[in-house]
Amino acid sequence: QVQLQESGPGLVKPSRTLSLTCTVSGDSISSFSEYWSWIRQPPGKGLEWIGSIYYSGATSYNPSLKSRVSMSIDTSKNQFSLNLDSVTAADTAVYFCARETWNHFFDSWGQGSLVTVSS
Amino acid sequence: EVVLTQSPGTLSLSPGERATLSCKASQSIRSTYLAWYQQRPGQAPRLLISATSTRATGIPDRFSGSGSGTDFTLTISRLEPEDFAVYYCQQFPVTFGGGTKVEIK
Repeated sequence: QVQLQESGPGLVKPSRTLSLTCTVSGDSISSFSEYWSWIRQPPGKGLEWIGSIYYSGATSYNPSLKSRVSMSIDTSKNQFSLNLDSVTAADTAVYFCARETWNHFFDSWGQGSLVTVSS
Repeated sequence: EVVLTQSPGTLSLSPGERATLSCKASQSIRSTYLAWYQQRPGQAPRLLISATSTRATGIPDRFSGSGSGTDFTLTISRLEPEDFAVYYCQQFPVTFGGGTKVEIK
């Protein structure tokens, strides 16, 4: 059974870069039929897709965040990562990593990591 | 960008009742790209339904999905205590609806 686990700082200062890593177990991140994604949820609000990455390194980002987002993948460690630049308080959220199926549904999720942007 | 609008925002029902949740798209979308998720407080979302009507592994048959074009529906035939949660629809390119909270009346 696949498991995903987010890791990274819980507090980031404004204007800095938010960095998170998702470690995948029970599935190979090099699968041809899956993507690996980040989704966030501000406190008390809905879900926002941030972006997805394929094992080859190909990426797709939410247009509203594209200028600040970068994702990478490390197949040797079965991990993928998120960087979000120039953060503000509006980026405070629970960040989920998720497995995205070939037909673009999210069938497995990490437990979520709360990241607070504050000085 | 296709906008998904979910209604109602909150649904107040009693256990055993039927719940009908709506997801309307701002333009027609492929039914193969419409999914529903359940999120309980403090938990990650869980995939319930993919491709409009296909239940995910382990999802009880009281959950069903239907629809086409711009109008999609999630139905819970008889609410169990664990079903009181927030439900989101999602389409591809990835956007989510704003959610419907199903609360105990």
